[in-house]
Amino acid sequence: EAAVTQSPRNKVAVTGGKVTLSCNQTNNHNNMYWYRQDTGHGLRLIHYSYGAGSTEKGDIPDGYKASRPSQENFSLILELATPSQTSVYFCASGDWGGPQDTQYFGPGTRLLVL
Amino acid sequence: GQQVQQSPASLVLQEGENAELQCNFSSTATQLQWFYQSPGGSLVSLLSNPSGTKHTGRLTSTTVTKERRSSLHISSSQTTDSGTYLCAIALNYNQGKLIFGQGTKLSIKP
Repeated sequence: EAAVTQSPRNKVAVTGGKVTLSCNQTNNHNNMYWYRQDTGHGLRLIHYSYGAGSTEKGDIPDGYKASRPSQENFSLILELATPSQTSVYFCASGDWGGPQDTQYFGPGTRLLVL
Repeated sequence: GQQVQQSPASLVLQEGENAELQCNFSSTATQLQWFYQSPGGSLVSLLSNPSGTKHTGRLTSTTVTKERRSSLHISSSQTTDSGTYLCAIALNYNQGKLIFGQGTKLSIKP
């Protein structure tokens, strides 16, 4: 079973502050993803990565940066946090080459921006 | 408009009844997956079914690609099946970018 961990699990931040959410996967997957989940919107893709050193914009990248320094680690960075970024953030990993491939999700991080 | 729509939004059943969840999507999908999200929030993949019918345990998924719809049938529901079921599609094999529906919240009463 794929193992994806996230830290912190809960975070309270102030408006204008910098927030870094970390994700680690131990299954050597090439692809990693950051989503946010909000009531009424389901899961939406923020950034993703095909491997170390690469980051790509997802569907809602504004206000977020991403960093993939290694195969195992993928970070989501909020340089200037805003209350609208209060949400639950999920990291996922997976290889993608065919119709049966899937993504493995971390436990999520609850972020509250005051 | 929303590319993936799920119905119903919520469903309440008695234990032992069968559940039928629907997913309709507006674009040609190369991949379709069903996920389960527990009441605690954790997400797990249930099955991948881009076309045809697929069974795993008490779950049966039928996807009709031409009609851009998929269903998930849960037989003999149990209280532990309670949670939210998410349908997701990918438009491109190579990217692995998933587009999620808003989910169906299933509650199974003992």
